[in-house]
Amino acid sequence: GAGVSQTPSNKVTEKGKYVELRCDPISGHTALYWYRQSLGQGPEFLIYFQGTGAADDSGLPNDRFFAVRPEGSVSTLKIQRTERGDSAVYLCASSLQGGGHEQYFGPGTRLTVT
Amino acid sequence: QKEVEQDPGPLSVPEGAIVSLNCTYSNSAFQYFMWYRQYSRKGPELLMYTYSSGNKEDGRFTAQVDKSSKYISLFIRDSQPSDSATYLCAMSENDYKLSFGAGTTVTVRA
Repeated sequence: GAGVSQTPSNKVTEKGKYVELRCDPISGHTALYWYRQSLGQGPEFLIYFQGTGAADDSGLPNDRFFAVRPEGSVSTLKIQRTERGDSAVYLCASSLQGGGHEQYFGPGTRLTVT
Repeated sequence: QKEVEQDPGPLSVPEGAIVSLNCTYSNSAFQYFMWYRQYSRKGPELLMYTYSSGNKEDGRFTAQVDKSSKYISLFIRDSQPSDSATYLCAMSENDYKLSFGAGTTVTVRA
């Protein structure tokens, strides 16, 4: 079946601009996660959704970052006033049930802020 | 100091060799332990999952967790060129917020 999909695969933006990154989880998965992976590092947790609500957003680095999942399926990560330090691969994962350890990752969106 | 430490390598082995990977951690509350494989420009793929201490075997892969030493390992037997990838350890206190190591890059030479 279809896995987690993320769009766009690559995004280049100028410093100060606003960007939106989209994640389509595996159908039927109620839990959704966002991670950020910088070059040469492992993914870092950003936020976890159970259904429509953010159950844990403790990993969001500051208030420029915001994520939504209005209908409990697709999620959008929004970054305002982008900075060069935001450049990274943004990974989305989903799991069948809330807090399930088997997180299935998408291919990521590579964000470059110039 | 990072919560999860993993030697980035790189590690190069001949085909058929045993690959040995490990991570150490500082948070004694971690109780879920995972190994992921990540190919270039792809998302991580779950290989092994272990709850608490002990060993788990799945085909050519063996995962070990020693909570008393805060040390986890992954062994890959009869390694193949297709095993060439970055291997990430991950762990969690609960079962959703994963803390990852930096990853070890492995090359299996044909």
